[in-house]
Amino acid sequence: EADIYQTPRYLVIGTGKKITLECSQTMGHDKMYWYQQDPGMELHLIHYSYGVNSTEKGDLSSESTVSRIRTEHFPLTLESARPSHTSQYLCASGGIGGYTFGSGTRLTVV
Amino acid sequence: GENVEQHPSTLSVQEGDSAVIKCTYSDSASNYFPWYKQELGKRPQLIIDIRSNVGEKKDQRIAVTLNKTAKHFSLHITETQPEDSAVYFCAASNKRSNTGKLIFGQGTTLQVKP
Repeated sequence: EADIYQTPRYLVIGTGKKITLECSQTMGHDKMYWYQQDPGMELHLIHYSYGVNSTEKGDLSSESTVSRIRTEHFPLTLESARPSHTSQYLCASGGIGGYTFGSGTRLTVV
Repeated sequence: GENVEQHPSTLSVQEGDSAVIKCTYSDSASNYFPWYKQELGKRPQLIIDIRSNVGEKKDQRIAVTLNKTAKHFSLHITETQPEDSAVYFCAASNKRSNTGKLIFGQGTTLQVKP
């Protein structure tokens, strides 16, 4: 079944570590997005891509970076994690029927 | 810039009552308006959407209305049930845009009391 997958589901990591949050979709969508969300709160767009080799920063400033080398894959990297990065990160892909969200990665930086 | 305002931020109703959530948007080029439901600990899921060439759309107990002149749209849930309790997000986008970016409202926490 076509869907969008995020790993890991939960991550607890120490300050200063480098992390990559994975996002893959089998929807065949060109457009992909990363949102940061505290539980039950606003969705803040931090990165988006409308195709291979295209990435743009979103409305909320983020120290993370993204890459889009393959259509189906849109990983997010934090070079040096800090406690202020503690949040949920949601990946989404977009098509004619609107967005489909992944299940999210809940990140805790200690 | 583009902006979507959503009200109220919290809404508590008795089971069986109706619930209405309202959104206004700033970009007059917006032509696609989806609504997402996010249950506790789960991903947001699309529940209904409307395009700018339509004024109203219904799907069982939920309906969405759009007023392009006033640039606002609303979600109506009738005969609410406890399983309707969730955070609801409205959004707007310009489907003709290259990016397809959705601009989300701030969210409404709906509590349906049994």
